Amino acid sequence: QVQLVESGGGLVKPGGSLRLSCAASGFNFSDHYMSWIRQAPGKGLEWVSHISNSGSSTSYADSVKGRFTISRDNAKKSLFLQMNSLRAEDTAVYYCARLKPYYDFLTGSWIDAFDYWGQGNLVTVSS
Amino acid sequence: DIQMTQFPSSLSASVGDRVTITCRASPSITNYLNWYQEKPGKAPKLLIFAASNLQSGVPLRFSGSGSGTDFTLSIISLQPEDFATYYCQQSYSSPWTFGQGTKVEIK
Repeated sequence: QVQLVESGGGLVKPGGSLRLSCAASGFNFSDHYMSWIRQAPGKGLEWVSHISNSGSSTSYADSVKGRFTISRDNAKKSLFLQMNSLRAEDTAVYYCARLKPYYDFLTGSWIDAFDYWGQGNLVTVSS
Repeated sequence: DIQMTQFPSSLSASVGDRVTITCRASPSITNYLNWYQEKPGKAPKLLIFAASNLQSGVPLRFSGSGSGTDFTLSIISLQPEDFATYYCQQSYSSPWTFGQGTKVEIK
């Protein structure tokens, strides 16, 4: 079955760096776009970044652009998020999620959805 | 960015009740709308994609409707395992955005 397991979180000081990893299993990793999504304490979900299946295309939320870098190693079935210049407002549980395109027969359009998520990994930015 | 507004932010209901959650998009997102269920300590789960399509394995008591700017998630005959927080999410344009969530609590 599909499994996504995040690791690498923890406590870091403002301005510091951290690298999150997500180990994938149970599916052909290189076929799928992947994303990072976060949830600050007591808040809702916020999409952070995604990467194409080959790794050639990436996209970021404005709140992390220029500070975070998403990457992947298809041979090792792993997704990464390098987080630099961390701020208190980056404190959150970070989820990796698989992106799947679904075909809607009613409208004839392809619609992306996050069909599998990891359990999440807490990142705390505090002095 | 596309704004997603969910209401109510929380509701209390009893087992067996029918529950309806509303999600409003600004501007229109046609049917590029997904619904997720989140329980404490667990990975979020996809319930509905493309506004009205039930994800495989999701019970038939869940249904979604709507298009354009107004969408609803309905749960008929609420079960104990349905007490959770529900989020809508648009995949019409980047950055993909979520509603602020609706917490369904036991009355």
